[in-house]
Amino acid sequence: ETGVTQTPRHLVMGMTNKKSLKCEQHLGHNAMYWYKQSAKKPLELMFVYNFKEQTENNSVPSRFSPECPNSSHLFLHLHTLQPEDSALYLCASSQLPGHQETQYFGPGTRLLVL
Amino acid sequence: LAKTTQPISMDSYEGQEVNITCSHNNIATNDYITWYQQFPSQGPRFIIQGYKTKVTNEVASLFIPADRKSSTLSLPRVSLSDTAVYYCLVGDIGTGGFKTIFGAGTRLFVKA
Repeated sequence: ETGVTQTPRHLVMGMTNKKSLKCEQHLGHNAMYWYKQSAKKPLELMFVYNFKEQTENNSVPSRFSPECPNSSHLFLHLHTLQPEDSALYLCASSQLPGHQETQYFGPGTRLLVL
Repeated sequence: LAKTTQPISMDSYEGQEVNITCSHNNIATNDYITWYQQFPSQGPRFIIQGYKTKVTNEVASLFIPADRKSSTLSLPRVSLSDTAVYYCLVGDIGTGGFKTIFGAGTRLFVKA
């Protein structure tokens, strides 16, 4: 499925680096999400955007900075990360925000912080 | 947001029917029940969603009793490729926005 794409698929970065994760959805959806999935842990919702406006920030540290320039694109800017931030970062989209809305996930970016 | 409880893991053999039950005792009137499947190093994929009684699609069936305090995902004749983690989600948009909480899920292992 290519409805939601994410780049890069893999990323290794040092704690002083700045990098960005990109997500693009081709489904015409209005809501986009960032999730974090650490090893052997449930998915954690990080941010929610609805029509380009951030509606949820689940107490995410400021070293993670989201950006949503339009309904099709979502970025996650990373800076001064910690090794415990190593995880699979998943982007998702849905027609509207809400649990009953089917969320379509991208393949994720596997991040390793050294 | 209703909390869900699922078995941590299940084993099955190819060709068997697998039923995974999810408990959601605090489900609210407006809540739907949604199931997702996740393979290693991939994002979850929607399987099925229901509100009450029974829902069936080409992949699975979802059984929801009248009190809606639980639901059962039924996978007919599983194959090795059905080995994955299955998540049950319950919830709706709240007045303060919504918080999607994926639980630990049920790790299904299908053996030959």
